[in-house]
Amino acid sequence: SQKIEQNSEALNIQEGKTATLTCNYTNYSPAYLQWYRQDPGRGPVFLLLIRENEKEKRKERLKVTFDTTLKQSLFHITASQPADSATYLCALRTNAGKSTFGDGTTLTVKP
Amino acid sequence: DADVTQTPRNRITKTGKRIMLECSQTKGHDRMYWYRQDPGLGLRLIYYSFDVKDINKGEISDGYSVSRQAQAKFSLSLESAIPNQTALYFCATSDLTLAGTNEQFFGPGTRLTVL
Repeated sequence: SQKIEQNSEALNIQEGKTATLTCNYTNYSPAYLQWYRQDPGRGPVFLLLIRENEKEKRKERLKVTFDTTLKQSLFHITASQPADSATYLCALRTNAGKSTFGDGTTLTVKP
Repeated sequence: DADVTQTPRNRITKTGKRIMLECSQTKGHDRMYWYRQDPGLGLRLIYYSFDVKDINKGEISDGYSVSRQAQAKFSLSLESAIPNQTALYFCATSDLTLAGTNEQFFGPGTRLTVL
């Protein structure tokens, strides 16, 4: 069956360090992968998309990689700040237009 | 004004009651979605609609129904609410733009409690 797995445990890091979040999937052939940020009690907010034929995408302090052989995406936040503390969701999207979300990884950046 | 609005924002109801959650959007998107989120879990798709005449079941549609009254409105109904439908419900929209990000825009959520 199709499965999406993100870091199962919460991630705690020190301010200024790089946070790395993982999204692994099985039995899936996504056209592209998206990353969202969700703050408590609020709806997710889109951050980045990476397509199946792309290896890496960057946006300011964010970097996403996509390895379709390993079936894995890595999401990096460099020079992390306490304001980056949130839950981060990966979503796999097919060309049929549906998205399947992972359970999310909660990141806490300590000052 | 918010692009995607949901009403009510909070609702407490009793087992067996019928309840409707409403979603409206001003983004002009054709695609709309309903998700539920349980504590510590990701979003699970209940129903989705790619245009006014198109309604599709998601992975957890049992116990739910939807109505796409217009391009801008997509309602979710629980015909006979049960306690395990207690969750946070999100509506989302997206646009079909092959060259774009196809991101989904989410509403603020409806917190539903079924006693």
